[in-house]
Amino acid sequence: AQSVTQLDSHVSVSEGTPVLLRCNYSSSYSPSLFWYVQHPNKGLQLLLKYTSAATLVKGINGFEAEFKKSETSFHLTKPSAHMSDAAEYFCVVSDLGGYNKLIFGAGTRLAVHP
Amino acid sequence: DAGVTQSPTHLIKTRGQQVTLRCSPKSGHDTVSWYQQALGQGPQFIFQYYEEEERQRGNFPDRFSGHQFPNYSSELNVNALLLGDSALYLCASSSGTGVQDTQYFGPGTRLTVL
Repeated sequence: AQSVTQLDSHVSVSEGTPVLLRCNYSSSYSPSLFWYVQHPNKGLQLLLKYTSAATLVKGINGFEAEFKKSETSFHLTKPSAHMSDAAEYFCVVSDLGGYNKLIFGAGTRLAVHP
Repeated sequence: DAGVTQSPTHLIKTRGQQVTLRCSPKSGHDTVSWYQQALGQGPQFIFQYYEEEERQRGNFPDRFSGHQFPNYSSELNVNALLLGDSALYLCASSSGTGVQDTQYFGPGTRLTVL
């Protein structure tokens, strides 16, 4: 069965410094992986997705993630944090058992300080 | 082009009551999935509807049921409400059920059970 583990429940950075949110996955097959962001009192917004094309995936708002099969990781990065990046981030894997059921990690809350 | 819409935004019920939540998918989408997000946790898959049939179901009791209409909109019904049903209920739509089909989320319905 597929699963994802987000290694940090909280990450705090200063504005203008790099962001790293860590995610490891477990899958018997080549997975489809996603990062979603959830701002307070808002729905989930897709940041980026990996579907076995390029291993470095670029998303919206300057975020990118690299799929590393040898490390079973899919970490999310951004070179320079902005105050508006403060939100909850979810690493997600699509269940290959059928029909695109999404399996979410527990989430990482990103705080950005001035 | 409207995205995924959900109604109502907030709902307060008492234990034992029944509730119906509604979702309209993004234009052109034919598949609707429902997720439950308890406070401080990642969303959990409830079930998915395609062509007016429940295609896949997560680990939720039969108190949770749903329906999809010919216009692809969907309802989630929960009977005999428990305190533990208090959560944010998210609807997601996609234009298929393949693992690469992106799911777009609505803003959610916040259900409080007293």
